[in-house]
Parts: sequence; structure tokens; C-alpha cells
Amino acid sequence: DIQLTQSPSFLSASVGDRVTITCRASQGISSYLAWYQQKPGKAPKLLIYVASTLQSGVPSRFSGSGSGTEFILTISSLQPEDFATYHCQQLNSYPLTFGGGTKVEIK
Amino acid sequence: EVQLVESGGGLVQPGGSLRLSCAASEFTFSDPYMDWVRQAPGKGLEWVGRIRDKEHSYTTEYAASVKGRFTISRDDSKSSLYLQMNSLKTEDTAVYYCARNMRLGATRGVAFDIWGQGTMVTVSS
Repeated sequence: DIQLTQSPSFLSASVGDRVTITCRASQGISSYLAWYQQKPGKAPKLLIYVASTLQSGVPSRFSGSGSGTEFILTISSLQPEDFATYHCQQLNSYPLTFGGGTKVEIK
Repeated sequence: EVQLVESGGGLVQPGGSLRLSCAASEFTFSDPYMDWVRQAPGKGLEWVGRIRDKEHSYTTEYAASVKGRFTISRDDSKSSLYLQMNSLKTEDTAVYYCARNMRLGATRGVAFDIWGQGTMVTVSS
């Protein structure tokens, strides 16, 4: 199975900060990586797919990069509505797997 | 509005069975692959399994943790997805989400673009 390791697992930041979250895969997954945002009690929401493509309707302050085994989600200027948990997911091979999540909280 | 709505969750004893449903609306349900994902209380997301479309003979994939106990099916005529869960264990306690697979051109399954609101399954005596 492909393991995804997200770092950090917890992040405290202020409105306006630039935030980066890393997702490392235990083996190469090409660009088959997606990022999701999840707020408490809600379903995940797709932000980024195939590593760097912004889902329709998602603000441009979100961006993704990487390929192979290392991927990064960047929020260029954190907004109040961005405080949430972020998950990466690999869709390269079965079983599909998710990272452990990164919780972004208000400093 | 494009949406998925799960139902069928509840409290069940260990060893019991439960069938979850996921009703789709406002999109051509027969086209995409469909998946189930679960989230135990306070934990991360865990992929449960996938069912492909008619073109791919409705074949399925499962996580090792549920293989042989859970069965995914779909009824395209009813725009519905199902998860039959047998031999339930306490560790199956979670919110269960159905999710639509997104395709990029001819490439299937590049992400999950539509999620249901989730249904809670509690396995406890």
C-alpha cells in the first residue's frame, strides 16, 4: 500500500499568512494526487486534482505542486474561512489512500 | 443541484448487518465510477471501496479492512449506490460518505468531486 505522510499535522497561523502543507508518498504516484478541505461536521471538498489543477470555484489563493513522491498545497494568504483540516489523497493505485490530515487553526 | 444523499446509518450490534444507500441527483449517474469513504470519530479519511460503470462490468475494488464483509453495488435506473455491510465490527464505527469519481478526458478517477453529507454507523453492543 502507498502511505501518504502529511506535515505538519497541526498548524497555527494568522489571517493573511502564507501556508504550505506537504504530502509525501511512500512510492511514486505520478501526479495522481488530490487535496481536500474539510470543516467540522461536513464532507470533504475537492480543492486540487492531478497535483496542481484548481477545481472549479475554488479561490486562486489555493495552489498545488509536485509530482512523484512530494507534493505541496499552498494557501497564499490565509482567510478566515480557510481554517479547516486538509487531506491529501493518492489515486494512482489500489488501495486508494489518504494522508493523516493537517488541521489549520487560528493563531 | 448536483448532489449525493446517503441514508441507512444507525446503531448495530457487532456481527450484525446494515445497508447504506446513496441517492444521486442532477447528473448522469450511470457514467462515473462511485466510491465509499469512511471517517471514524476524530480520525482521518479511509477509502472503503469503488464500483466501476456498466462499460467496465460494474467491477469493484475494496480496502483490505472490509474485503469479504462489505459489498458495493449500484442501480443506475434508480441513480443509487449501495454499501452492504456484514459481520460488522466495532472498528467499522464511522461516518460513511459516498463520492463521485471525477474523470479528466479519458482518465477515470482523478479525484472525488462530489460528496454526500455522510451517514453515521455505530457498531456497539
